[in-house]
Amino acid sequence: QVTLRESGPALVKPTQTLTLTCTFSGFSLSTYGMYVSWIRQPPGKALEWLARIDWDDDKYYSSSLETRLTISKDPSKNQVVLTMTNMDPVDTGTYYCARRGGYPDYDALDVWGQGTMVTVSS
Amino acid sequence: DIQMTQSPSSLSASVGDRVTIACQASQDISNSLNWYQQRPGKAPKLLIYDASNLETGVPSRFSGSGSGTDFTLTISSLLPEDIATYYCQQFENLPLTFGGGTKVEIK
Repeated sequence: QVTLRESGPALVKPTQTLTLTCTFSGFSLSTYGMYVSWIRQPPGKALEWLARIDWDDDKYYSSSLETRLTISKDPSKNQVVLTMTNMDPVDTGTYYCARRGGYPDYDALDVWGQGTMVTVSS
Repeated sequence: DIQMTQSPSSLSASVGDRVTIACQASQDISNSLNWYQQRPGKAPKLLIYDASNLETGVPSRFSGSGSGTDFTLTISSLLPEDIATYYCQQFENLPLTFGGGTKVEIK
C-alpha cells in the first residue's frame, strides 16, 4: 500500500523558513521514472504546484517561487524535504506531497498525502 | 508557464443531471491532461489521466474528452457523493499547472 504523510510546523512567523517533510512508504524514489511533488492550497483557493524531485535527483520548481524553494530527498529514510524561505501570511494554507503514478504508461499524481496546514502569523 | 482556465467556477445541479466541466489550456498540450476530485476537507484524488482514461476504481459515470487546448470532464448522472471541487492539471510542460477549480453542488 502506497502512503505519503506530510509533517512540519503548524505555525511559522513571517520571514521565517518553513521546513516540511514528506515521509512515504510502499514505493521507492530510486525507481526509474518516479518523482514526488509538493502542492499547496490556500484556504478556499485552488491547488498550486510548488516543486518536484525525481528519482535521479533532478529538481524542478514553480516559476514564481523558485527563489524561495529547495527540495531534497533522503532515500534511506523514504523522505522528501521542502524548505520555503521568507514566509509571508499569503503562504498560509495546506501543503500536500504526492507521488507520480502510472510510469511508464501515464504521468499523474496518483497518491496524495493528507496534507498539513501551515499558518503564517506573528 | 501554461495557464489552465476552468469554467464554470461553480455549478449547482440536481441528482441525476448530466454535468459538464470545461478546461482550456493557453497552448496546445496534446492529451497531457489529468482531472482530480477534491471532496471537502480531503486531499485531491486522481479521476482521469491522459485526458480520457479512467483511473482504476473510478466510477464509469465520470468521463473525459478533448485534446489540444480544450478539454471536458463529464459526470453522466450526478450523485450526492460527487459533491466536490474538480481540477484539471497539465503535464505537457513544467511547471505543472492546475486550473482554478470547479465547485459542484447539489441543487
